[in-house]
Amino acid sequence: DVKVTQSSRYLVKRTGEKVFLECVQDMDHENMFWYRQDPGLGLRLIYFSYDVKMKEKGDIPEGYSVSREKKERFSLILESASTNQTSMYLCASSVGQGDTDTQYFGPGTRLTVL
Amino acid sequence: GQNIDQPTEMTATEGAIVQINCTYQTSGFNGLFWYQQHAGEAPTFLSYNVLDGLEEKGRFSSFLSRSKGYSYLLLKELQMKDSASYLCAVMDSNYQLIWGAGTKLIIKP
Repeated sequence: DVKVTQSSRYLVKRTGEKVFLECVQDMDHENMFWYRQDPGLGLRLIYFSYDVKMKEKGDIPEGYSVSREKKERFSLILESASTNQTSMYLCASSVGQGDTDTQYFGPGTRLTVL
Repeated sequence: GQNIDQPTEMTATEGAIVQINCTYQTSGFNGLFWYQQHAGEAPTFLSYNVLDGLEEKGRFSSFLSRSKGYSYLLLKELQMKDSASYLCAVMDSNYQLIWGAGTKLIIKP
């Protein structure tokens, strides 16, 4: 079974703090993704990575950065947290096979910025 | 722009059948996914359609019509554990997933 883990299920931070969200997958997947999920909206892609040290902007990268130093780990960084970044953050990974590429999700981190 | 539409919420009775619709307008099409997401949990993969027609997997079936930009997820013999949100997602020409907002399905005894 694919296992995607995220460092925290719940996190509370203050405005202006630097926040690190960690994601680890154990299936040697090439692709990794960070989404945020807000009520009434679909999953929105923040950043993704197709290889180690490689990153691509998604639909809403502003205010975020990422790091992929090792294949199994993909980190999301909020440089200076703001209240509008309060959300559920979901990490996903996939093998990387084009059109049949199923994404597998971690349990999510519910971040509250006060 | 790219758009995925699905109903916000549906209610059904235990033991019954429910159909959740999804319509899409995307730049290109490389398949449509359905995911199930229980409250507070991660989405889990249910089905993938890339060709027109019906794919059956136990109590769940998924249908696709590419010419109409339309899919549905059919759930039979509903159980209380089927109460969840169902997410429709389309893979576009860049192999990026475009997500619908999800349909919250409420099952009543």
